[in-house]
Amino acid sequence: AQSVSQHNHHVILSEAASLELGCNYSYGGTVNLFWYVQYPGQHLQLLLKYFSGDPLVKGIKGFEAEFIKSKFSFNLRKPSVQWSDTAEYFCAVSRIKAAGNKLTFGGGTRVLVKP
Amino acid sequence: DAMVIQNPRYQVTQFGKPVTLSCSQTLNHNVMYWYQQKSSQAPKLLFHYYDKDFNNEADTPDNFQSRRPNTSFCFLDIRSPGLGDAAMYLCATSRDLGGNEKLFFGSGTQLSVL
Repeated sequence: AQSVSQHNHHVILSEAASLELGCNYSYGGTVNLFWYVQYPGQHLQLLLKYFSGDPLVKGIKGFEAEFIKSKFSFNLRKPSVQWSDTAEYFCAVSRIKAAGNKLTFGGGTRVLVKP
Repeated sequence: DAMVIQNPRYQVTQFGKPVTLSCSQTLNHNVMYWYQQKSSQAPKLLFHYYDKDFNNEADTPDNFQSRRPNTSFCFLDIRSPGLGDAAMYLCATSRDLGGNEKLFFGSGTQLSVL
């Protein structure tokens, strides 16, 4: 079974600092990769996704993620965070199965940006 | 405007007392999912519907059931809630089942079991 690991459970940083959240997955086949974000009091929403092509993916709000196949990683980055980036971030992986498709989520990383 | 709506936002039930959580969508998506998310853990897929076809995850307890009477609505029934079933329950939809489909989530229902 596939699994997704996020290395940090909590990250605290100041505004304008750079952010990098690690994500590794265990499945050796072809995967689709996602980052979802959950702002305080809001629902989960898609931040960015990778299916194929350029391994460096640009998402909303200045986020990007890089797929490194050899490392089974899909790390999320933002060069300069804002207070409004305070949220919980979930990495997720899907693969095509004969019976359909499902997302497997990582445990999430809570990011607190101090003003 | 909310596209995936879950009611209620908070639900309290008693140990062993059946409870139903509801989800509705305005997106006309084919697929509806129920995830369970316990504190500080990853959301875990319980089951999904593709149209009327029900797909249960292998490790979902029999205590959890689901109904989808029409495209817009999907219900999660917990027949005999235990203390370990206290969690956030997330409903999500997707247009189709392809691996590149984006999921749209509701705000969740936080279930407490007393």
